[in-house]
Amino acid sequence: QQQVKQSPQSLIVQKGGISIINCAYENTAFDYFPWYQQFPGKGPALLIAIRPDVSEKKEGRFTISFNKSAKQFSLHIMDSQPGDSATYFCAASMGSGAGSYQLTFGKGTKLSVIP
Amino acid sequence: EAGVAQSPRYKIIEKRQSVAFWCNPISGHATLYWYQQILGQGPKLLIQFQNNGVVDDSQLPKDRFSAERLKGVDSTLKIQPAKLEDSAVYLCASSSTEVYEQYFGPGTRLTVT
Repeated sequence: QQQVKQSPQSLIVQKGGISIINCAYENTAFDYFPWYQQFPGKGPALLIAIRPDVSEKKEGRFTISFNKSAKQFSLHIMDSQPGDSATYFCAASMGSGAGSYQLTFGKGTKLSVIP
Repeated sequence: EAGVAQSPRYKIIEKRQSVAFWCNPISGHATLYWYQQILGQGPKLLIQFQNNGVVDDSQLPKDRFSAERLKGVDSTLKIQPAKLEDSAVYLCASSSTEVYEQYFGPGTRLTVT
């Protein structure tokens, strides 16, 4: 199975709060898990990514938590700002075999950060 | 470094007409991808090129879609004839050889009426 399931579909967070978006995957061959941020009228932009040999990766206000046994990973946005309002996509890829380096995306989460 | 360029940015056509999209990847990127993003969904891969060869086109509706990358740089995606369900944003992405990170262009928004 190549599917990546993402939740919630939409999220409203108060400025300064924590935004949490969750994803689950089925294919254990996936070995690269990026998050992309997309603003209206723009293409997706790589935000942060993790490999399965670590459980957490932090870059500024953005943190990925990874649970290999549960086949789940999540994006945490600390101190959420109105400028973070965008659609966020999780994705997964693998570095070998058929379809290597291709991205399988979740359906996206529309985040709205209100002042 | 210039990003991935795509044109046109918007296109409106009637069903059964044809349309073509152009992509210029980041300089030096050997791998090029075309994705289709339907409103409210994540991008779905259509075709993957390595230099000027097709790596995977298993999800490309070949009865109406075609793509080429003749000189291993620019690429063109064509739809002929278009259907209403082809209305979507068509995204081009590129990457260096055998690396995970893909960089996306701004996309072409296609509306089929």
